[in-house]
Amino acid sequence: SAVISQKPSRDICQRGTSLTIQCQVDSQVTMMFWYRQQPGQSLTLIATANQGSEATYESGFVIDKFPISRPNLTFSTLTVSNMSPEDSSIYLCSVIPGETNEKLFFGSGTQLSVL
Amino acid sequence: SQQGEEDPQALSIQEGENATMNCSYKTSINNLQWYRQNSGRGLVHLILIRSNEREKHSGRLRVTLDTSKKSSSLLITASRAADTASYFCATDRGSARQLTFGSGTQLTVLP
Repeated sequence: SAVISQKPSRDICQRGTSLTIQCQVDSQVTMMFWYRQQPGQSLTLIATANQGSEATYESGFVIDKFPISRPNLTFSTLTVSNMSPEDSSIYLCSVIPGETNEKLFFGSGTQLSVL
Repeated sequence: SQQGEEDPQALSIQEGENATMNCSYKTSINNLQWYRQNSGRGLVHLILIRSNEREKHSGRLRVTLDTSKKSSSLLITASRAADTASYFCATDRGSARQLTFGSGTQLTVLP
């Protein structure tokens, strides 16, 4: 299993600003993902955070808008840049610990509201 | 577009009743998983069923998988108020271990 600490848990931001979300895992994990959940919707994969290299983004998501860092196997950040009200969502960090390699463990999420 | 569609979108039952949620998907899968989400927080894994399995049980949970119909169902027996949550199916797209989530079912169990 894995214990994931994600912060901040919620924030209210002004249009045009940026917010960086942190994800800390209690063990080294190979695979780490960032998801977005828009209000009342399901989860959409933003990108796979790769240790030591650029993240792999899904269709519709770009690095300039959602830069991701992953300096080691236990930590990652997601930045939501130049925010607009349409970015209001829950952002979720998730990992697959090496020993299971199948099921996801999630952080508690960051609820972002953009005014 | 979402890989999975779930129905019903919302389900309200009395405590003690059974709850059944259905999930349909579009492409071939390695496995299908069910997750639970309380109040818009992080998801918790419930159960995984592989493409070569037809039924799986875990406590009060029973999952079925019909790959010919590309569908799965989650049955929660003897429901409790604490089961109130959103339930999502998710399919594994293969080697990258990236999951695609269904649209979710909001279950409300009334005491």
